[in-house]
Amino acid sequence: SQTIHQWPATLVQPVGSPLSLECTVEGTSNPNLYWYRQAAGRGLQLLFYSVGIGQISSEVPQNLSASRPQDRQFILSSKKLLLSDSGFYLCAWSWGSAPNQPQHFGDGTRLSIL
Amino acid sequence: SQQGEEDPQALSIQEGENATMNCSYKTSINNLQWYRQNSGRGLVHLILIRSNEREKHSGRLRVTLDTSKKSSSLLITASRAADTASYFCATVSLGGGNTPLVFGKGTRLSVIA
Repeated sequence: SQTIHQWPATLVQPVGSPLSLECTVEGTSNPNLYWYRQAAGRGLQLLFYSVGIGQISSEVPQNLSASRPQDRQFILSSKKLLLSDSGFYLCAWSWGSAPNQPQHFGDGTRLSIL
Repeated sequence: SQQGEEDPQALSIQEGENATMNCSYKTSINNLQWYRQNSGRGLVHLILIRSNEREKHSGRLRVTLDTSKKSSSLLITASRAADTASYFCATVSLGGGNTPLVFGKGTRLSVIA
């Protein structure tokens, strides 16, 4: 069966510090991978998605970047965090070979910027 | 940008009652999906309905789709306290390939025991 891991679960960072959130998927190959941000009590904002190694699509221009160094690894980064980067970050995967399929989510990282 | 928009934003019912949530969207779709999110957790996929389907059932869940009105509804029958969560609709626009899902802002459902 397939599993998705996100870490850390919570993170408190000062303004201006760097960020690296990691997401890995097990039990599948060549998945589509996604990073979302969710503000408190709000819907999901798609940040980045990837259909293959090194292929990143950015949905919203901002202070963040994403990389996919391996097939089942997706990393969300920032060089200098802003207060507005606070939120709940969710990673998800879907079957790459079958378009428009359901997405499967990790348990998220709650990021607080001080 | 958000395409799906759920209504109501929040819903509070007694255990045993039915809960109905609605979703409206703007563009032609390939399919529409409903997800559930418990507080502080990731989303869990509930049900997918394709554009050529009108109704789908899964346990206590019933989803309808009206493509002429660009709307969908999620009905949870005989609700339980454990159904308390936020529910999101997500649409896949026509275009094929790996078109990302577009999520609505969700309905917060509270089921009171």
